[in-house]
Amino acid sequence: QVQLVQSGAEVKKTGASVKVSCKTSGYIFTSYGINWVRQAPGQGLEWMGWISAYSDNTKYAEKFQVRVTMTTDTSTSTAYMELRSLRSDDTAVYYCARDSVGASELDYWGQGTLVTVSS
Amino acid sequence: SSELTQDPAVSVALGQTVRITCQGDSLRSYYANWYQQKPGQAPVLVMYGQNKRPSGITDRFFGSSSGNTASLTITGAQSEDEADYYCNSRDNSGYHYVFGTGTKVTVL
Repeated sequence: QVQLVQSGAEVKKTGASVKVSCKTSGYIFTSYGINWVRQAPGQGLEWMGWISAYSDNTKYAEKFQVRVTMTTDTSTSTAYMELRSLRSDDTAVYYCARDSVGASELDYWGQGTLVTVSS
Repeated sequence: SSELTQDPAVSVALGQTVRITCQGDSLRSYYANWYQQKPGQAPVLVMYGQNKRPSGITDRFFGSSSGNTASLTITGAQSEDEADYYCNSRDNSGYHYVFGTGTKVTVL
């Protein structure tokens, strides 16, 4: 069965960086893309960006363009999201989610990783 | 970029029907997808494309679209349908995704 398992919760200082992993299984990793979506406490879902596990092509939301890098490791079927220059309003649960080539629906999601940013 | 707007909250009596809407310019060109999120859990895809349900999703959920508005209709609402619902689609450029503002559904 398809599974996306994310790394554990992180606590970071303002200005630091965080790297969240998303280890996948149960499907051909390079046939899909991985999206990153975050959700601040009590708030809605916010799309951060996408990476093709086939080509490593990326698309980032303009809001995160300067601070985010998404990568993949095909040898371990794992996707990564690094966010730099953390601020308090980056405190959120970060999700990875799979999509199909040419489709827009996110059909499988990771369990989420809570990133807490404090001074 | 573009925005997708949803009503913040709706309520429905047990066993009745409720419709959740999602409005945005990009919906004139792209289908909306719908996700259900319960407290403390990751979102779950419940509707995608043109009224397609993923395996395991109840057939009490129905999707439709007209113009710039997409809708998710829940028929015979059950207590387990109480959750937050989000739409998503591509933005006007077609290269990025956008989520709706979310609708909290309460089953009375």
